[in-house]
Amino acid sequence: KAGVTQTPRYLIKTRGQQVTLSCSPISGHRSVSWYQQTPGQGLQFLFEYFSETQRNKGNFPGRFSGRQFSNSRSEMNVSTLELGDSALYLCASTRNAGIMNTEAFFGQGTRLTVV
Amino acid sequence: AQTVTQSQPEMSVQEAETVTLSCTYDTSESDYYLFWYKQPPSRQMILVIRQEAYKQQNATENRFSVNFQKAAKSFSLKISDSQLGDAAMYFCAYTGDHDKIIFGKGTRLHILP
Repeated sequence: KAGVTQTPRYLIKTRGQQVTLSCSPISGHRSVSWYQQTPGQGLQFLFEYFSETQRNKGNFPGRFSGRQFSNSRSEMNVSTLELGDSALYLCASTRNAGIMNTEAFFGQGTRLTVV
Repeated sequence: AQTVTQSQPEMSVQEAETVTLSCTYDTSESDYYLFWYKQPPSRQMILVIRQEAYKQQNATENRFSVNFQKAAKSFSLKISDSQLGDAAMYFCAYTGDHDKIIFGKGTRLHILP
């Protein structure tokens, strides 16, 4: 079965612009989580969506937002981009909410560069 | 707050040899899971092995096994018969009631032919 698909794979944006990243989970999975990966901070949790509702949120400014559609696909949006937003953004899908009793499958990420 | 610490930024091992990656964590929760993830150059995070805190038996997946010391809050990964394809970044990770994954900073593993 198809894995987690993230688009686009690479993005270059200018400071002040906004960007939207997309994540399609594995078929049948209803939960999508987003993580930011940077060399300095490592991997940090952004938010989790389940059944179109934000279930959990990390410690990121309001410029970072997301949503989930009825088909479980999720988008995350970053507004007013800053140089520090340059990172690999990873999406993970699980069958149900949370990951305590299941396995999270990750996509290959979107590499965002802000110039 | 929960934390995960990997004290070895980089390690090297000869092909076919055994290597152990270290990880310690801190938590006050009693019910949690620990993971080792592998991130190859393709960047996709792949689950290597998972350990439930309430299980005393150490998890094993083929050449990969863990040494879970709950009282010491230690969770090391042993890779036996190392192969070139094992070269990657390895992340130790934790999840508990908050349901988000907390990752360590990672250990880059080099396999020497």
